Amino acid sequence: AQSVTQPDIHITVSEGASLELRCNYSYGATPYLFWYVQSPGQGLQLLLKYFSGDTLVQGIKGFEAEFKRSQSSFNLRKPSVHWSDAAEYFCAVHLIQGAQKLVFGQGTRLTINP
Amino acid sequence: DAGVTQSPTHLIKTRGQQVTLRCSPKSGHDTVSWYQQALGQGPQFIFQYYEEEERQRGNFPDRFSGHQFPNYSSELNVNALLLGDSALYLCASSPLGGRRLNTQYFGPGTRLTVL
Repeated sequence: AQSVTQPDIHITVSEGASLELRCNYSYGATPYLFWYVQSPGQGLQLLLKYFSGDTLVQGIKGFEAEFKRSQSSFNLRKPSVHWSDAAEYFCAVHLIQGAQKLVFGQGTRLTINP
Repeated sequence: DAGVTQSPTHLIKTRGQQVTLRCSPKSGHDTVSWYQQALGQGPQFIFQYYEEEERQRGNFPDRFSGHQFPNYSSELNVNALLLGDSALYLCASSPLGGRRLNTQYFGPGTRLTVL
């Protein structure tokens, strides 16, 4: 079965430090991958997506992610975090059999220390 | 250009009651998907509507039903509410339902509390 794993439930980093959030997927076909961010009590905002082509994709708010097929990973990175980046981050796989269904990981909660 | 909108924002119901949640898709989008997000979890796919029909369904009981209207807006209905139905219900819309791959854009969600 298709699945997405985000190994880190909670990460704390200092403001200005670099960030990497991990995402691993299990999916037999070519994956289409997404990162969404959710602020407390809010819906999901799309940060970036990978469909094909360049394995390093740029997103909004200075985020980037790298697709590594050999490692079945799609890790999210940011060189310098800001206090406003504190939120919940979700990695998702888009299934292409049938309808446009997203399978999400459990999320990583990011806390920023001042 | 308005994004995906959902109503109401919050809802409190008691066990056994029925609830209807509403979603208006982003302009130009014709496909609506519904997700349930329990506290501390990632969203779980409930079902998707395109051309006023349920196209695919996740692992949810028949108590969960939906509808899509000709203007592409959608409703999610839940009957015989259980305490475990307490969650954030997210609506997502995407364009060109006939294409297999499209980005889904999410609304702010409806927080349902069942007492």
